[in-house]
Amino acid sequence: GAVVSQHPSWVICKSGTSVKIECRSLDFQATTMFWYRQFPKQSLMLMATSNEGSKATYEQGVEKDKFLINHASLTLSTLTVTSAHPEDSSFYICSASRTGDFYEQYFGPGTRLTVT
Amino acid sequence: AQTVTQSQPEMSVQEAETVTLSCTYDTSESDYYLFWYKQPPSRQMILVIRQEAYKQQNATENRFSVNFQKAAKSFSLKISDSQLGDAAMYFCAYGAYGGSQGNLIFGKGTKLSVKP
Repeated sequence: GAVVSQHPSWVICKSGTSVKIECRSLDFQATTMFWYRQFPKQSLMLMATSNEGSKATYEQGVEKDKFLINHASLTLSTLTVTSAHPEDSSFYICSASRTGDFYEQYFGPGTRLTVT
Repeated sequence: AQTVTQSQPEMSVQEAETVTLSCTYDTSESDYYLFWYKQPPSRQMILVIRQEAYKQQNATENRFSVNFQKAAKSFSLKISDSQLGDAAMYFCAYGAYGGSQGNLIFGKGTKLSVKP
């Protein structure tokens, strides 16, 4: 149990376009989902925290108008990178927490975004 | 602000031998969680072991054990009987307890190689 999926696993888009990444908890309900960014050979940096039905909380330095997060249901959160630029190329990872257990995050397999 | 430091960018171990990965952290909190995550080449983050700061007993999961020294703010991971499948990036992480969203702060990681 506790499987988290992400779609797509890899996406290439042109500069200026928008791309949406989905994060789904397949076999549990997740009131909280987290979005991380990982640059090559570096650690994970938390971008934002989303709770179902409410606005996401963004970490300092993360542009909320550029990285739109929607947590529409207990099993789905989406990250939309708007007007993508090459510097947005990165590995994006989501994680999900079961209800009431914030400290046991289940990670998705990640999405590699390449902006050309 | 809390920080997590992994001072060993790379480590190597012979198959069936034991290796210890180091992690230190800085916090003014008394209650928190510490984690070790494994990220194999597939990039899927996998929880290896978790330690609650209020517990004096070191956590153990099969071949994986930790040496938690709260006063020294040290949290090392010992892998016994190393296997080829243990080769991966290992990230130490800190999680705030209570009142926060359960955000995880990751160290920069240690790349572990296992030699046959």
